[in-house]
Amino acid sequence: EVQLVESGGGLVHPGGSLRLSCEGSGFSFNRYSMNWVRQAPGKGLEWVSHISGNSDNVYYADSVKGRFSIARDNARNSLSLQMHRLRGDDTAVYFCVRDQLSSGIFDYWGQGALVTVSS
Amino acid sequence: SSELTQDPAVSVALGQTVRVTCQGDSLRKYYASWYQQKPGQAPLLLIYGINSRPSGIPGRFSGSSSGDTAFLTITGAQAEDEADYYCNSRDSSGKHYVIFGGGTKLTVL
Repeated sequence: EVQLVESGGGLVHPGGSLRLSCEGSGFSFNRYSMNWVRQAPGKGLEWVSHISGNSDNVYYADSVKGRFSIARDNARNSLSLQMHRLRGDDTAVYFCVRDQLSSGIFDYWGQGALVTVSS
Repeated sequence: SSELTQDPAVSVALGQTVRVTCQGDSLRKYYASWYQQKPGQAPLLLIYGINSRPSGIPGRFSGSSSGDTAFLTITGAQAEDEADYYCNSRDSSGKHYVIFGGGTKLTVL
């Protein structure tokens, strides 16, 4: 069974940093591209970042470029999102998402980690 | 432009058929995928590609497209289909990896 489990969410002050992690199981982690997708309270889905299976290709949404950094450790089946200079509009549930064949088809989602940026 | 547009809300009578639309330039080049999200839950992949369903997704969900518009059709809507529905696709402008529609709230009457 494919599972994606996020951790690391919490309350952070504006300007602060936070690191989200996602552990994958039940599939060959290194064969799949992975993404982070976020959802602000009461709002729709927003793609945040993408990383290919071998980390060769990395992409970011304009809203987080230069502040967020995606990485993966295939030996540990883990994905991370390092977030710096956090702002109020970064407040959201962050989902770790598997990408089917780097096609943009998001076939498995974690349960999400809530990040709240507030003073 | 790198946008996908969805109607904010749609309603359907129990047992009837409803079509949810997703419109954008990227859909001329890429297929849309469709996701269902219920309150407090992660999104669930419903439809991808031409009209493929992951294992476990009921056959009443189907997808189609025409030009710059993709459609999710629910044939014989059930009460449990009341949810938010999102489309996404690769971004043909190259500005983003993937773009999402704003979502459609489906109410089953």
